[in-house]
Parts: sequence; C-alpha cells; structure tokens
Amino acid sequence: EVQLVESGGTLVQPGRSLRLSCAASGFTFDDRAMHWVRQAPGKGLEWVSGISWNSGSKGYVDSVKGRFTISRDNAKNFLYLQMNSLRPEDTALYYCTRDLRSRPTHGLDVWGHGTMVIVSA
Amino acid sequence: SYVLTQPPSVSVAPGQTARISCGGNNIGGKSVHWYQQKPGQAPVLVIYDDSDRPSGIPERFSGSKSGNTATLTITRVDAGDEADYYCQVWDRISYQQVFGGGTKLTV
Repeated sequence: EVQLVESGGTLVQPGRSLRLSCAASGFTFDDRAMHWVRQAPGKGLEWVSGISWNSGSKGYVDSVKGRFTISRDNAKNFLYLQMNSLRPEDTALYYCTRDLRSRPTHGLDVWGHGTMVIVSA
Repeated sequence: SYVLTQPPSVSVAPGQTARISCGGNNIGGKSVHWYQQKPGQAPVLVIYDDSDRPSGIPERFSGSKSGNTATLTITRVDAGDEADYYCQVWDRISYQQVFGGGTKLTV
C-alpha cells in the first residue's frame, strides 16, 4: 500500500525553527518528485515547496523563500521540510504529497494525513 | 505570480450535473489538475492533465478546457460528492505550483 506519513508538527514560538518529516512506503520513492502543501485552518490549499526525484530541482512559494528548505533522503525514503524564522501565518496543516512524475511540475496523486504546525507565543 | 480563479460555491440538486470553473491567463497552455477534499480528510486527485481520471475515480467526473477556463464536470451528482474542489497548475515562469481558491459544492 502506498503511504505517506508526516511527523514533526507541534506548537512553536514565532522566530523558532522546526523540521517536518515524511516517511514514504509502498512505492519506489526515487522515481517521483515530492511536495509539501499546507492548509491554514478554514482556508484553501497552498503549495509550499517541491523537489525533483534527485533533488536537482526545488521550488518554493514566495512567502517561504529564504526561510524553508526542502530536502529528501532517497536511501531512507524520507522527505523533509526545514522551517526557520517561523511566523504566525505559517500556522497550518502540512501535507506531504507525491507527484505523478519525477519532476515537481505535475499533479499530486498521493497525500498523507498531514501534521499540524501552530506558530504562537 | 500566477492566479487561478474559482467560484466560492456551486449548488446543484441531486441527480443533476455540477460544473466548477477554474480561470487563469493562458490556462490552455498548462495542464490542469483537480482535487476533491471532504471535511476532515486529505485531498484526493480526481482529474489530472486536464481530463484524465486516476484509477478508482468514477466516470461521472470529467475535465475540460476552453479558452482561459478549465471546467470540472460531475454528472448525476449525489450527497457523497459534497466537498471542496480545487484546481491546480504548474507555472513554469515562477517554478511554482498554484492552487485555485477552492469551490464548495453543495448538493
């Protein structure tokens, strides 16, 4: 069974850092690009970042550029999101998602259940 | 940055056809993907590459494009189709994925 399981979400103070992890199983991880998508409470979906199969291509939404870093470990089948200088507006449920193809430029066919990040003093 | 525009809500009677639009500049040159999200659940891909259905998605769901608008069509709508629907494209200029604001379908 194809599965994505996120972890690392918690309550954190503004300005602090947090690293999210996503464990992938049930498919050949290094065949696919991966993404992080977030959803603030009661709001719509917002793409945060994507990474190609070999980490050669990465993209970020403007609001997190310079603060967040996406990475992956194909040997361990893990996707990560390092989040620095967190702001209250980063509060959201963060989903790990799989791209249909190897570059992060297509539809997202598998989603995890999400991990909640709350940024508050 | 690239913007996708969806109506906030669409209402349709059971058994009828729902059409949800997604507008964007030169959307005809992009591949459009659609997601269904029910309350408390993760989104599910229902249409990819404008009009293809993933395995397990009923034939009642279809996608199309015309001009600067993409449309998700759901025929023979029932209560189980009540959800938020989002369109999404890849913007090669900004190297970013973009989601529409979402449409709440009420049956």
